[in-house]
Amino acid sequence: SQTIHQWPATLVQPVGSPLSLECTVEGTSNPNLYWYRQAAGRGLQLLFYSVGIGQISSEVPQNLSASRPQDRQFILSSKKLLLSDSGFYLCAWGSEGVSYEQYFGPGTRLTVT
Amino acid sequence: LAKTTQPISMDSYEGQEVNITCSHNNIATNDYITWYQQFPSQGPRFIIQGYKTKVTNEVASLFIPADRKSSTLSLPRVSLSDTAVYYCLVVGSSTLGRLYFGRGTQLTVWP
Repeated sequence: SQTIHQWPATLVQPVGSPLSLECTVEGTSNPNLYWYRQAAGRGLQLLFYSVGIGQISSEVPQNLSASRPQDRQFILSSKKLLLSDSGFYLCAWGSEGVSYEQYFGPGTRLTVT
Repeated sequence: LAKTTQPISMDSYEGQEVNITCSHNNIATNDYITWYQQFPSQGPRFIIQGYKTKVTNEVASLFIPADRKSSTLSLPRVSLSDTAVYYCLVVGSSTLGRLYFGRGTQLTVWP
């Protein structure tokens, strides 16, 4: 069966510090991978998606970046965090092609102080 | 990109049937209607998807009229554990398969 892992579960970082969140998927090949962010009391915002190794599409301009160094690994990074980067970060995967059904990881709660 | 509109919140009692309606006036021919459920501090979970008429699974039913400009998620005999945010999404050619979540509907089930 397929599983998706995210770490860390919670993170408190000062403004201006770097960020690295990791997501890995098991039990599937060539998945579409997604990063979402949910600010307090808001819906989910799609940040990045990837259809293959090294292929990253950005949905919104921001100080975040994403990378996919391996087929089932997706990394979200920032060189300098802003207060507005606080939120609940979710990684998701979907089957190759058009993914109507996506499977979400447990999420990372990021607080920037 | 088809925009969706759904109520911000709904209240119900245990054992009742709950119907959440979503409007999507600009849905494209190749788009599907998809519903997700989200509990606090968790990622959303896929509930059901449909194109037209009626779809039913072990969790819910989805009713889509012929013009497809709206859809209704029906949850039979809700329990306290159904308290969650429910999202209506349009997915397909107009979104290139990507999911765009709105604010969703906060359903609160009371004892």
